[in-house]
Amino acid sequence: DVVMTQSPLSLPVTLGQPASISCRSSQSLVHSDGNTYLNWFQQRPGQSPRRLLYVVSNRDSGVPDRFSGSGSGTDFTLRISRVEAEDVGVYYCMQATHWPPYTFGQGTKLEIK
Amino acid sequence: EVQLVESGGGLVQPGGSLRLSCASSGFSFSIFWMSWVRQAPGKGLEWVANINEDGSVKDYVDSVKGRFTISRDNARNSLYLQMSSLRAEDTAVYYCAKGQWLDDWGPGTLVTVSS
Repeated sequence: DVVMTQSPLSLPVTLGQPASISCRSSQSLVHSDGNTYLNWFQQRPGQSPRRLLYVVSNRDSGVPDRFSGSGSGTDFTLRISRVEAEDVGVYYCMQATHWPPYTFGQGTKLEIK
Repeated sequence: EVQLVESGGGLVQPGGSLRLSCASSGFSFSIFWMSWVRQAPGKGLEWVANINEDGSVKDYVDSVKGRFTISRDNARNSLYLQMSSLRAEDTAVYYCAKGQWLDDWGPGTLVTVSS
């Protein structure tokens, strides 16, 4: 199975400042069809997860443009340009290239300093 | 608006069985893959199983193979997860998710396996 490793696991951020989460996979996530199936999810406290980005960098409907994704191969990054209070929660990367199974990272808990 | 609502969770003894349901609305259920994902208390996300549009392809995480069965009823816009031989480590909130890439999620249903 593909192992997804996120860092940091805890991310205290000052409101209005940028934030960055790294996600590394144990093997390349480039699919034979040429796409890279790396998604990012946000789970706010007490809520179910919500997908933010798919295929590395495509924002889902309703996701603010302060969220962006980048990366290739085995290294990926979620960036928040200016953190807002509503961004508090846990962020997960997930690979859907080599499945079954889909595999998630451990999660990164973002909190406000 | 996409809506997914899970039901069927509860307290069950080790070795017992439970059937989860996920009622969907707001999209054409029959043309989407569907998945189950679980989250143990205070832990991260774990993909459990998925099923293709017509139910002919089903996949599972190794830890539930032979114990869980995913199915769907496209006429009823519903997804199911039959769980048997339940273990304490199956205790989790179970979410259903739309699409092959988990586009939308329901609020989840809690399954507690304990004597």
